[in-house]
Amino acid sequence: QKEVEQDPGPLSVPEGAIVSLNCTYSNSAFQYFMWYRQYSRKGPELLMYTYSSGNKEDGRFTAQVDKSSKYISLFIRDSQPSDSATYLCAMTQETSGSRLTFGEGTQLTVNP
Amino acid sequence: GAVVSQHPSWVICKSGTSVKIECRSLDFQATTMFWYRQFPKQSLMLMATSNEGSKATYEQGVEKDKFLINHASLTLSTLTVTSAHPEDSSFYICSVPSTNEKLFFGSGTQLSVL
Repeated sequence: QKEVEQDPGPLSVPEGAIVSLNCTYSNSAFQYFMWYRQYSRKGPELLMYTYSSGNKEDGRFTAQVDKSSKYISLFIRDSQPSDSATYLCAMTQETSGSRLTFGEGTQLTVNP
Repeated sequence: GAVVSQHPSWVICKSGTSVKIECRSLDFQATTMFWYRQFPKQSLMLMATSNEGSKATYEQGVEKDKFLINHASLTLSTLTVTSAHPEDSSFYICSVPSTNEKLFFGSGTQLSVL
């Protein structure tokens, strides 16, 4: 069993839709949770960074962490075609925020 | 602007040759850098941790003699794929932890071995 499970999609939505992306994990020691956006053949770009349980909002993006359920989510409001990319969840138990364990990534397409 | 500079962005080489990939931290000094590999439609897999002034730490199953890592300074780490073979063709990405515990990635290097 993988430490981090993420539905690879693909996920296709119309422009303006609310997108929900999710990951589950098995290691209860994970404390730091991240969402990265990766365009084709580019390095991942950090979108959201959260510590422990709770919500964090940044513009159109909201990250939620539920440690009791070992479940994290990323919501994208008013999705735009430029949001089309692969979204990777990542997490770590290390205080340095390093040695990340990644999900497979969800490929998202936002259609104009 | 970019926090991490990685080059080349792509390289094609013949089987049996060696390829060097550079990763530079532009905004801060990094005693540690990380090297990941990503196959098509798969997630990033950590290959090794590059340590400034000491030997790299390799993940299980990664051949240290094949993937040579040198952390020459606090801003530069290099990954050399030695005697490359077609199965080494992949997307290689470096990352650098920042001072606020976040991890930033380079733009990646697509290696194609013929």
